[in-house]
Amino acid sequence: GAVVSQHPSWVICKSGTSVKIECRSLDFQATTMFWYRQFPKQSLMLMATSNEGSKATYEQGVEKDKFLINHASLTLSTLTVTSAHPEDSSFYICSARELAGGVYNEQFFGPGTRLTVL
Amino acid sequence: DAKTTQPNSMESNEEEPVHLPCNHSTISGTDYIHWYRQLPSQGPEYVIHGLTSNVNNRMASLAIAEDRKSSTLILHRATLRDAAVYYCILRGFNTGKLIFGQGTTLQVKP
Repeated sequence: GAVVSQHPSWVICKSGTSVKIECRSLDFQATTMFWYRQFPKQSLMLMATSNEGSKATYEQGVEKDKFLINHASLTLSTLTVTSAHPEDSSFYICSARELAGGVYNEQFFGPGTRLTVL
Repeated sequence: DAKTTQPNSMESNEEEPVHLPCNHSTISGTDYIHWYRQLPSQGPEYVIHGLTSNVNNRMASLAIAEDRKSSTLILHRATLRDAAVYYCILRGFNTGKLIFGQGTTLQVKP
């Protein structure tokens, strides 16, 4: 199956700093990437959908100025948590879907990034 | 997006079949039924998906009711590595988004 990677796998930062998380599709081109957040013992919550070359679409209640998403190429999307605070500590997971009509007509998930804000 | 209902938890014995149910009574004609599973501290893993007909792959089988209002994920021989949270999700044709519910936590006993 297709592989989606994330970097870093975990990060610890001080309150008020910004953190960037990368999501890459390694063996396919992803026109659409999704970002999820998961708190302990809870399910995944969709934060935003990004299409290559256009602005991300955020789910209701997600602050677009706080969670900056860039999807500049068909294999890379980044999520920047700006001015992070302890309540932003969470498990962030990206997902990618291939071009329509491609080999993989499915959505694949990255391994996740554990963010801890002190 | 249409909603799914799954039992919170299920138990199984190793090497026995497991049937994980999912109700989706408000499914629309263009919704695909997807199953993913998630191990602790990992991203979700694709298991199987279908539209109307039953589906089989190397991981599992998906049995879809004739009226499509329910489906069952079948693991033919559960192993300890199958212990995970299993999510049944309806993927809208138009939105393409996967909206996760609470899923079923499967415990596999040796």
